[in-house]
Amino acid sequence: DAKTTQPNSMESNEEEPVHLPCNHSTISGTDYIHWYRQLPSQGPEYVIHGLTSNVNNRMASLAIAEDRKSSTLILHRATLRDAAVYYCIGGGADGLTFGKGTHLIIQP
Amino acid sequence: KAGVTQTPRYLIKTRGQQVTLSCSPISGHRSVSWYQQTPGQGLQFLFEYFSETQRNKGNFPGRFSGRQFSNSRSEMNVSTLELGDSALYLCASSSGISSTDTQYFGPGTRLTVL
Repeated sequence: DAKTTQPNSMESNEEEPVHLPCNHSTISGTDYIHWYRQLPSQGPEYVIHGLTSNVNNRMASLAIAEDRKSSTLILHRATLRDAAVYYCIGGGADGLTFGKGTHLIIQP
Repeated sequence: KAGVTQTPRYLIKTRGQQVTLSCSPISGHRSVSWYQQTPGQGLQFLFEYFSETQRNKGNFPGRFSGRQFSNSRSEMNVSTLELGDSALYLCASSSGISSTDTQYFGPGTRLTVL
């Protein structure tokens, strides 16, 4: 799996968009980029994944750089329930390799 | 559809003992993965089972083992417990057909070793 680098924490206001960056400069051409999040006292939950093109689902959008060395998870309108640790993972063929993730704090 | 269930939710053991944790995957899922989560090391992959066979293994000592049954339920065992084994043990299931399949995590078993 590719090594990923994320900021330790980020803070945003409720109902504003949030952009969570991730660097994965060692990612291989066939590795997918996965995002999971972990709410307090819960197991991680899937958010989104993609390979090359930008991806959208009901939870978020994933913008992948053209060189695939970085990506950004976009929460279009953060709510208090989005406060969690967000993990960016490159690869996944041999089990998900979680880094430290970004602790997202949402201010009301 | 019921989610991934793990039993027990909490467990207290003493050093030297062994422990068995259980995981029931989502119905129809054939892959079960186990992870250890600690404040210091974060989430670390232990192993993955698919159709009763271990498909991948993380970098953990042989004291950590697991198995999967024909109904896809899985157990993991830790022998000769050490204080450092205190952690949240998470189980995740997926259809397992592709490495990009979404993994669905259970709530975890909180193991405390005294």
